[in-house]
Amino acid sequence: GEDVEQSLFLSVREGDSSVINCTYTDSSSTYLYWYKQEPGAGLQLLTYIFSNMDMKQDQRLTVLLNKKDKHLSLRIADTQTGDSAIYFCAENDGNKLVFGAGTILRVKS
Amino acid sequence: DTGVSQDPRHKITKRGQNVTFRCDPISEHNRLYWYRQTLGQGPEFLTYFQNEAQLEKSRLLSDRFSAERPKGSFSTLEIQRTEQGDSAMYLCASSRTGTYGYTFGSGTRLTVV
Repeated sequence: GEDVEQSLFLSVREGDSSVINCTYTDSSSTYLYWYKQEPGAGLQLLTYIFSNMDMKQDQRLTVLLNKKDKHLSLRIADTQTGDSAIYFCAENDGNKLVFGAGTILRVKS
Repeated sequence: DTGVSQDPRHKITKRGQNVTFRCDPISEHNRLYWYRQTLGQGPEFLTYFQNEAQLEKSRLLSDRFSAERPKGSFSTLEIQRTEQGDSAMYLCASSRTGTYGYTFGSGTRLTVV
């Protein structure tokens, strides 16, 4: 079945860039997504990328997609303490999303 | 746009009791999803509706679980004879056909004691 894997934890200093990585297995995924979850809250859609794109930039966020290696990354420029959260990568499997286990991002001031 | 609302936010129940959760999607969204999230994991798909039709159910949705969306608007998720392993965050999400990604609610945290 489909599987999405992410590294568990990332710690960065405020103002640095953060790069969160994800690998997925379903080559037929049409879209790939990044969601953010703050403590006790639901998931917030940050950005998505269509599978025929290599890169998408949205303000401080840059998504890179390597379709050959099935590798997706999320770069957050000028990381702020408010970016501390869990970040989930997801791929679509038909009408549903398959999520990774999440990467905890800790931003040190 | 009031977002996706879930009620209650928290539920503590004794093992063996039945519980019911409610989700109110964004009004113009025709698709509604239920996911379950346990500690340290990403959300896992349970089921989804397009309008009032339940189109897909996960193997995770045992016969103790039932979901309905009677008029294609709000949805309920009922768990009968709860077990400790049912303790989790139950997330509802909605979307509109042809759009990307979902909008999630804040979830209902269930604790079975």
